[in-house]
Formats: sequence, C-alpha cells, structure tokens
Amino acid sequence: GAVVSQHPSRVICKSGTSVKIECRSLDFQATTMFWYRQFPKKSLMLMATSNEGSKATYEQGVEKDKFLINHASLTLSTLTVTSAHPEDSSFYICSARSTSGSGNEQFFGPGTRLTVL
Amino acid sequence: AQSVTQLGSHVSVSEGALVLLRCNYSSSVPPYLFWYVQYPNQGLQLLLKYTTGATLVKGINGFEAEFKKSETSFHLTKPSAHMSDAAEYFCAVTHVNNAGNMLTFGGGTRLMVKP
Repeated sequence: GAVVSQHPSRVICKSGTSVKIECRSLDFQATTMFWYRQFPKKSLMLMATSNEGSKATYEQGVEKDKFLINHASLTLSTLTVTSAHPEDSSFYICSARSTSGSGNEQFFGPGTRLTVL
Repeated sequence: AQSVTQLGSHVSVSEGALVLLRCNYSSSVPPYLFWYVQYPNQGLQLLLKYTTGATLVKGINGFEAEFKKSETSFHLTKPSAHMSDAAEYFCAVTHVNNAGNMLTFGGGTRLMVKP
C-alpha cells in the first residue's frame, strides 16, 4: 500500500528557532501533498496544498512567510516553521495524493508533534 | 462549498455493542466521502470511502458506512465494538470536480469502548 513518512516524529525547540518537517511518499509519486495542523482534541485544519515544482497554495489565515513549504520532488515536501513560538506548538500531519490509481484518496503521514518552549 | 458535521464529539459503547458514528455533509456537487481513524499520536488511517457505485461501503476492521443522498448522511457502523476500536474517527468530504482533492474534515468523534 501507499506509505507516507514524516520526520521527525517529535521535536522540541526553543522559541525563535526554525524547525523543518519532512514528508515523504515512500512507494509512490505524489504531485500534490497537503499539510494539516491539529490542535489537541480538535479536527485537522488544512494549512496549505503543495504542488511539485510550484508554489504552495495557503489557506486563509495561514502565514506563508512563517510556514514555508517546499515540494522539490515527487516524493518529498518540507514544511519549515520559521521563528517558532509556543503558539506554534501543535501536531502537524501531511498527506500525499498519488499521481496514479485512485486520484481521490490521500495517504496520511504519522504526524509530527512540535513543542516550542 | 462543502462541510461536514459529526454529531457527538464523544461516543461511549460497551464492548460487543453496536457502534454508530454519525456524519452529515453538505456539498453542491456529488460528494466523495471518507472515514478515517486516528490513534493517539498517530496520523490518519483510511477506514473506507465512497466515490460512486454501491452506496453501502465496507471497510477495514469490520466497519461499514452507507451513503444516503436523501439524508446527506454517511454514518459509520460496526456490529460489535472491540476494545481496540477506541480511537478518534473523522468523516471527510471532497467532490468529483475538486481537482486538488482537498478534503474537508468533520470535527471528529472520540469513540470509547467500555469493557
């Protein structure tokens, strides 16, 4: 089956530092990847849609300069949280859509828990 | 525009009892509907999906859901709950014209299973 990995699974950083989260599709190519944020006991909130080779599309209210997304290849998208602050602490989940097969299914990564001190 | 409502943020059942998690959607075009399960500190796992065809969809772990257009519903059921079913469940919708396949999620329902 389609597998999506995220790295790291958990990261703790100091306020003001930047953190990079990787999302990889391990056994398929993904032209589109999605980044979600999930607050404790809440649903997933779409942050941005990442398309390979082009700029990401950000949802309303998401700061593109704070959450930098790079989708440099068909198997890798990265989310960089710049100048992180405690309010950025959250669970970040990515998903990937395959270029072939069922185009309506997204495959989700295991998530990255970010804690900003 | 599309939206998803999950009635009941928490559902508690006894082991062996019927599980019913409710999902209602709104979509101006024919929807594609999904149920995902999330275990603590993990990503989402697809339980089942409806795109076209048979309206009763069977998924993994004994779950099934029925698409009812007249009721705009896609409720998730399982005849007999198991302790391992305790998790957070999310209903989601996209539609055939959504080239980006952007999903809209419901608020989630936490299923608790009592021994």
